[in-house]
Amino acid sequence: QVKLVQSGGGVVQPGRALRLSCAASGFSFGLYSFHWVRQTPGKGLEWVAVMSADGRKTFYTDPVKGRFTVSRDNSKNILYLAMNSLRVEDTGMYYCARDTTAAEREFDYWGQGSLVTVSS
Amino acid sequence: DIVMTQSPDSLAVSLGERATITCKSSQSVLRSSSNTNYLAWYQQKPGQPPKLIIYWASYRESGVPDRFSGSGSGTEFTLTINNFQAEDVAVYYCQQHSQTPPWTFGQGTRVEIK
Repeated sequence: QVKLVQSGGGVVQPGRALRLSCAASGFSFGLYSFHWVRQTPGKGLEWVAVMSADGRKTFYTDPVKGRFTVSRDNSKNILYLAMNSLRVEDTGMYYCARDTTAAEREFDYWGQGSLVTVSS
Repeated sequence: DIVMTQSPDSLAVSLGERATITCKSSQSVLRSSSNTNYLAWYQQKPGQPPKLIIYWASYRESGVPDRFSGSGSGTEFTLTINNFQAEDVAVYYCQQHSQTPPWTFGQGTRVEIK
């Protein structure tokens, strides 16, 4: 069955870095685009970034542009989110979520979430 | 960006009764080329990730009970839960994927038992 298992996350100081991972199984990873979505008490669900199935296209929400980088290893079936220059407002639960090849559909499967806390 | 606005923010429903949640988008999410509304509904229970329950505004995801239904077109949409059950207590979100990026969500509606 389809599984997205997340790892990473934790407590970091402002300005530091963190990397999240999302390991996929049960389907052909390389055929799907993937998103990162975060959930914060103040903003609810907020889309963060997307990477195309072939890894050639990425888009980011404005608040994370230049600080976050999404990548994928199709040989290992893993999606990553590298977060640099973290800010207090980046605190929240981060989810990876699957989309279609063209990234034009709803998100049909989600990871269990990774909690990121940015605090001094 | 398309802004998604849900109402109400919270709702208390008696078991066996009907719950109705509205979602309005600031621009139409209907793709004229396919005559399809790019609108999804998710259910999120405490401690769990969101779960897709409705796609294309009115299509139930596989395995979702038929007491859940979606309707609407263009800029106004409704999620209806008939015969409300205790396991339906959750926060419900709408999402548009018509004009992206960004993909945008409503603020959520919390549904509880009255």
